[in-house]
Amino acid sequence: QVQVVESGGGVVQTGGSLRLSCAASGFTFSNYGMHWVRQAPGKGLEWVAVTWYHGNKEDYSDSVKGRFTISRDNSKNMLYLQMNSLRVEDTAVYHCARDTVTYSLSGWFDPWGQGTLVTVSS
Amino acid sequence: NFILTQPHSVSGSPEKTLTISCTRSSGSIASNYVQWYQHRPGSAPTTVIYEHKERPSGVPYRFSGSIDSSSNSASLTISGLKTEDEADYYCQSYDGSTWVFGGGTKLTVL
Repeated sequence: QVQVVESGGGVVQTGGSLRLSCAASGFTFSNYGMHWVRQAPGKGLEWVAVTWYHGNKEDYSDSVKGRFTISRDNSKNMLYLQMNSLRVEDTAVYHCARDTVTYSLSGWFDPWGQGTLVTVSS
Repeated sequence: NFILTQPHSVSGSPEKTLTISCTRSSGSIASNYVQWYQHRPGSAPTTVIYEHKERPSGVPYRFSGSIDSSSNSASLTISGLKTEDEADYYCQSYDGSTWVFGGGTKLTVL
């Protein structure tokens, strides 16, 4: 079935780096845009980043721009999020989510993964 | 950018009908589609309504969505409440450059 599964979360100190991965299966990965969405403890959902289906264009929320890099490997059906200069406020569960249209971007996400927890400690 | 405002929490009894609102701060609610996601802690969020009022396959008919231009808001209505409906619900929209979520509403079935 169509699914995405995140990995790579953990505990890191302020200023450190971490790379998240998302394995996709059950659909033609290279046809879809992919997103990262996070949820800080006790907070709501926040969109983080998107990569277009071809991987040649990305976009980021203002809160992570310049520190995070989204990328993909269409030959391996993998999505990544490289997180640098991490801050305590980046502590969150990070969800990988597929866009819902091929060769473009829609306004929404489906399916989502369960997420992977990133904890940034001071 | 705009903000989507939801009530922090709502509650209802089994078999009752309940509505969660989502008010857009600026720009017309009708100008960009609104989606609704159900999120149980520790699980992946799932879509219960997309494009204002469409229901994905597998989502019960008890879930319905609408928009009201006069109040510039979207609504998620759940009829025949079941205990399994207990979850956080998020509205979401996209203005062509940013994906925006509401703050989330915790639904409790009493």
